[in-house]
Amino acid sequence: NAGVTQTPKFRVLKTGQSMTLLCAQDMNHEYMYWYRQDPGMGLRLIHYSVGEGTTAKGEVPDGYNVSRLKKQNFLLGLESAAPSQTSVYFCAVQRGENGNQPQHFGDGTRLSIL
Amino acid sequence: GQNIDQPTEMTATEGAIVQINCTYQTSGFNGLFWYQQHAGEAPTFLSYNVLDGLEEKGRFSSFLSRSKGYSYLLLKELQMKDSASYLCAVLDSNYQLIWGAGTKLIIKP
Repeated sequence: NAGVTQTPKFRVLKTGQSMTLLCAQDMNHEYMYWYRQDPGMGLRLIHYSVGEGTTAKGEVPDGYNVSRLKKQNFLLGLESAAPSQTSVYFCAVQRGENGNQPQHFGDGTRLSIL
Repeated sequence: GQNIDQPTEMTATEGAIVQINCTYQTSGFNGLFWYQQHAGEAPTFLSYNVLDGLEEKGRFSSFLSRSKGYSYLLLKELQMKDSASYLCAVLDSNYQLIWGAGTKLIIKP
């Protein structure tokens, strides 16, 4: 998706392994979000950031950590992967002036934990 | 608790009109979004409503009634490429987006 790039696109992990998902944007937007999407459920917010150097917990933060050292990058870490973290992960960015701005999504990372 | 309800799946015919409903119960309301998501792809923004009434954008229209906690997305002149999931999301009092599970729309020739 133009402007928001997620890497990797696919990954298979074993239980207990760690990994980092990268979200990079060239839209110069302040707000960045990490969601997970599971079948039959709405997008659930994991963590978000309202600017460089800031992070906050969302609805389902347990088992994940994030960092926003640079404005354009938002990293999502899994320290010890569990099968319950098998999901599709989406990063989204948003202009920060008003909450009514639409979010723009990356193409997603499909993660399987065995 | 906060809740957004949408039908799980709908089927419609190419060239026809379909209405996808969304009802919500949230702590506060600062607007409602509709997104389209094709299978295996990212959600893309369709519309935003914050005031009551109908917003028209080409073949797609979105309606909001805040007093009823209700919105619908109306798709006209359906095309095969409209086969996708349609996600309803409400901005609550803390400006957090609450997402519905989505409605999978199947278009038949």
